[in-house]
Parts: sequence; structure tokens; C-alpha cells
Amino acid sequence: DIQMTQSPSSLSASVGDRVTITCRASQTINVYLNWYHQKPGKVPNLLIYTASSLQSGVPSRFSGSGSGTDFTLTISSLQPEDFGTYYCQQSDKMPLTFGGGTRVEI
Amino acid sequence: EVQLVESGGGLVQPGGSLRLSCAASGFPLSSYEMNWVRQAPGKGLEWVSYISSSGSTRYYADSVRGRFTISRDNAENSLYLQMHSLTAEDTAVYYCARSLPARNAFDVWGQGTMVTVSS
Repeated sequence: DIQMTQSPSSLSASVGDRVTITCRASQTINVYLNWYHQKPGKVPNLLIYTASSLQSGVPSRFSGSGSGTDFTLTISSLQPEDFGTYYCQQSDKMPLTFGGGTRVEI
Repeated sequence: EVQLVESGGGLVQPGGSLRLSCAASGFPLSSYEMNWVRQAPGKGLEWVSYISSSGSTRYYADSVRGRFTISRDNAENSLYLQMHSLTAEDTAVYYCARSLPARNAFDVWGQGTMVTVSS
């Protein structure tokens, strides 16, 4: 199975900061990497798919990059509603696997 | 409105069985691959199972293979997860989730149904 490792596991940032979260796959997954945001008690929300494609309705301050094994989610200017946990997920091979999550505190 | 609504969760004893349902509305279920994803209390997301749009292809996480069965009824716009031999480790909120075509990124999620395995 492909293991997904996110870093950091948590971070604290201020409104307006540029925030970067990384995700590393245990083997190459081409560009089949997706990012989600989950607020406490809420359903996960797809932000980015295939590494860099912005899901419809997601603010443009979110962006993704990477290929192969190393990927990055960037929030260009952190907003109060961006708190919560971010997860990466590989969709290159079954079984599909998620990273352990990155908790973002404002 | 595109919507997924799960049902069937509850309290079950270890070794017991439960069948979850997911009702789709606002889109043709028959056109989409579907999944079950779970989240144990205070933990991260864990993919559980996948089914192709026709139902001909199914995949499972190692942790549930042989105990869980995913199925679908496109005519009824419904997705199912039959769960047997449940253990405490299966306690979680179970979400049904729609896949973006050919991407297996989950673009639509249900609100989740809680399964608690306890004596």
C-alpha cells in the first residue's frame, strides 16, 4: 500500500500568512494527489484534485503543486475560515490512502 | 441539489452486523464511481471501499476485506455497505462519497452515519 506522510502535523498561523503543507508518498503517484479541508464536526471538502486543479467553488488562495512523490498545498493568505484539518489523499493506486492530517490553528 | 444521505448506523455488539445505505439525489448515481470513507472519533480519514459505476469492480481496504461488502442499486439511486464481524476498531462515522470521473477524488460527501461497536 502507498503510505502518505504529511508535515507538519499541526501549525499555528495568523490571518494573512502564507501557509504551506507538504505531503509525501511512499512511491510515485504521478499527479494523482488530492487535498481536503475538514472543519471540526463537519464533512471534508475537496480543495484540489490531481495535484493542482482547483475544485469548483474553492477560493483561489488555495493552490497545489507537485508530482511523483512530493506535493504541496499552499494557502496564499490565510483567512479565519481556513482553520481545521487538511488531508492529502492519493488516487493513483488501490487501496486509496489518506495522509494523517495537518491541523491548522489561526 | 446534489446530495448524499447516509442511514443505517447505530450501536451494535462486537461480532454483529449492520447495513449502511446512502441515498443519492440531484445527479444520476449510475454515472459515478462511489466510495465509503470512515473516520474514527478524533482520528483521520480512512478509505473503506470503492465500487465502479456499473458495480462490476469493487475494492476494499485490508482492514475490512472479507467482512464488508459494497453494492449499489442504480435504479434506486442507492449505495450500500454490508458490514459483518464488527469490532471496536470499526467504530467510526461512515461517509459515502462520490468520485470525480476517472479521478477518485471525492467531490461530494454525505453527512455521515455513526457506527458504534460496543457491548
